[in-house]
Amino acid sequence: KQEVTQIPAALSVPEGENLVLNCSFTDSAIYNLQWFRQDPGKGLTSLLLIQSSQREQTSGRLNASLDKSSGRSTLYIAASQPGDSATYLCAVLARTYKYIFGTGTRLKVLA
Amino acid sequence: EADIYQTPRYLVIGTGKKITLECSQTMGHDKMYWYQQDPGMELHLIHYSYGVNSTEKGDLSSESTVSRIRTEHFPLTLESARPSHTSQYLCASSEFRQGGQNEQFFGPGTRLTVL
Repeated sequence: KQEVTQIPAALSVPEGENLVLNCSFTDSAIYNLQWFRQDPGKGLTSLLLIQSSQREQTSGRLNASLDKSSGRSTLYIAASQPGDSATYLCAVLARTYKYIFGTGTRLKVLA
Repeated sequence: EADIYQTPRYLVIGTGKKITLECSQTMGHDKMYWYQQDPGMELHLIHYSYGVNSTEKGDLSSESTVSRIRTEHFPLTLESARPSHTSQYLCASSEFRQGGQNEQFFGPGTRLTVL
């Protein structure tokens, strides 16, 4: 059974720091991995999608990598800002076409 | 730009009432999903659909039901609401594509409170 874990569960950093969020999954038979951002009480906003054949994707200050063989993905946020404060979720698309979500990392960027 | 809508955004209702949460998408996606999320907790898949007239139960047992009569519409119904149904309900959709390009888009959610 596919399980997705995110570490750390919570993170508090001063503004301007570069940071890395981790996502690990137990079954490498995935179609893709997607990173989302969720603000309190809101829906999820898609940040980056990495197909299983890709190694990384970039969007602005965000860079996500995927190492399928080791079951790991990282989301790198450069020059963090208070507006980046949110919960970050990763999800893998399993061969059943169901998405399996991690428990999330709650990020707080202090001004 | 993702175009997926949920109504109502907030709902407070008494025990025993029947409610329907609406979800619509204008992207022509064939796959649609309902998730339940308690505050600060993980998402749980409660229903999904791979197309018109296709519905399946998700990983989390739910007393709700869904229907998929039109591609763009995936409503969720609770026949008799209970306080244990208090939660946030998130609707999502994705398109079937070969090669892993199935990006999932979410609606803004419905926050349900059952008194």
